[in-house]
Amino acid sequence: QSVLTQPPSASGTPGQRVTISCSGSSSDIGSNTVNWYQQLPGTAPKLLIYSDNQRPSGVPDRFSASKSGTSASLAISGLQSEDEADYYCAAWDDSLNGVVFGGGTKLTVL
Amino acid sequence: QVQLVQSGAEVWKPGASMNISCKASGYTFTRYTIHWLRQAPGQRPEWMGWVNTGKGETKYSQKFQGRVTLSRDTSASTAYMHLSSLRSEDTAVYYCARGTAYSLFAFDAWGQGTMVTVSS
Repeated sequence: QSVLTQPPSASGTPGQRVTISCSGSSSDIGSNTVNWYQQLPGTAPKLLIYSDNQRPSGVPDRFSASKSGTSASLAISGLQSEDEADYYCAAWDDSLNGVVFGGGTKLTVL
Repeated sequence: QVQLVQSGAEVWKPGASMNISCKASGYTFTRYTIHWLRQAPGQRPEWMGWVNTGKGETKYSQKFQGRVTLSRDTSASTAYMHLSSLRSEDTAVYYCARGTAYSLFAFDAWGQGTMVTVSS
């Protein structure tokens, strides 16, 4: 099963900038847009970024994302304690005809 | 405000079938697709399929094809997910989510989740 690859963990101190990577293939990230979700413990995921780099209304501009080829990345600047959560990338996969998610990155704010 | 409210937690024995409902409010139900996903403890979300709430058309993940049926009742603004032949590996939190207007497979509203436990 095609899946997207993320680092299992990331960390930073308040005010820092942190990036989270997401690696895929030509059938997913390489040919479709990437979405990012934030999941706080015990809650449903929340859409953070859609269409590679667009923020839904209400998402702070501290969150940004980019894509190049078959990889994408999420950046969080001005890190805050409330940013401590799991972050997932996701994209449509043309070969599987379905949405695939990354394994998630647990962000710790030190 | 946009809300998706799901039915409550369930416990099932292996081999049984289950149904989960997802009632939408705060928007025009038929203008947005409803997707179903699940998340096993400590695992990534897993997409199961979606229903076009206007036309009733459905599309399923290859993994669940033949075992899952999605439907909707437009008069009740409610979507349903039926999963048959349950096994222990189906233990997970099941979510309904709304597909956005600008990106079909980005999900901008989620239900609160329904915990399903499959155990003998």
